[in-house]
Amino acid sequence: QSALTQPASVSGSPGQSITISCTGTSSDVGDYNYVSWYQQHPGQAPKLMIYDVSNRPSGVSNRFSGSKSGNTASLTISGLQAEDECDYYCSSYRISSIPLYVFGTGTKVTVL
Amino acid sequence: QVQLQESGPGLVKPSQTLSLTCSVSGGSISSGSYYWSWIRQPAGKGLEWIGRIYISGSTNYNPSLKSRVTISVDTSRNQFSLRLSSVTAADTAVYYCARGGDYGDYGMDVWGQGTTVTVSS
Repeated sequence: QSALTQPASVSGSPGQSITISCTGTSSDVGDYNYVSWYQQHPGQAPKLMIYDVSNRPSGVSNRFSGSKSGNTASLTISGLQAEDECDYYCSSYRISSIPLYVFGTGTKVTVL
Repeated sequence: QVQLQESGPGLVKPSQTLSLTCSVSGGSISSGSYYWSWIRQPAGKGLEWIGRIYISGSTNYNPSLKSRVTISVDTSRNQFSLRLSSVTAADTAVYYCARGGDYGDYGMDVWGQGTTVTVSS
């Protein structure tokens, strides 16, 4: 199945805000509020940062926020910090003949 | 808190079956309304959802792998397992197990550290 589309890389300076997009279709992002975002540092397992488009799990910094417009979801990181430099993946439920879960292509965030 | 640990052979021959187990500690696999998932990640590439299982035994699989995948749960051992048949080099990846259900229906908040499986003769 085709992955959700993310930019390969996004960069910003410390303290700035950056936004990562995640583009799907009306079969996934567009019609369902089941978008999640994961943070993955090198050699580590992914960490859930956002679920159901805009909700933060307990313990996740409020510098991370999520939103959605049409077929595109977004993750915004405000007050960018050096520790935010890593990979980020979106994911979504996708309607199909059976329930399906699909990930994005991944975005490398660089803190300049 | 709940922790997950993957285990299994790190090397599997082409055409054989890959078998991995995810052991759950710090809580019962049968408690709550959780689902238990497998995800994989080839080196330097993105994440791919393999499938998930509920304690009831209900499963959902990635259609692209469905004909080769079986996920099962053993509540007596507090673990769940992945079997992937007829493997090829394309199945070489880090395999993660994960738990979902605490944060919406599709947010997975507890992950194992991952185990590397190489398919090679």
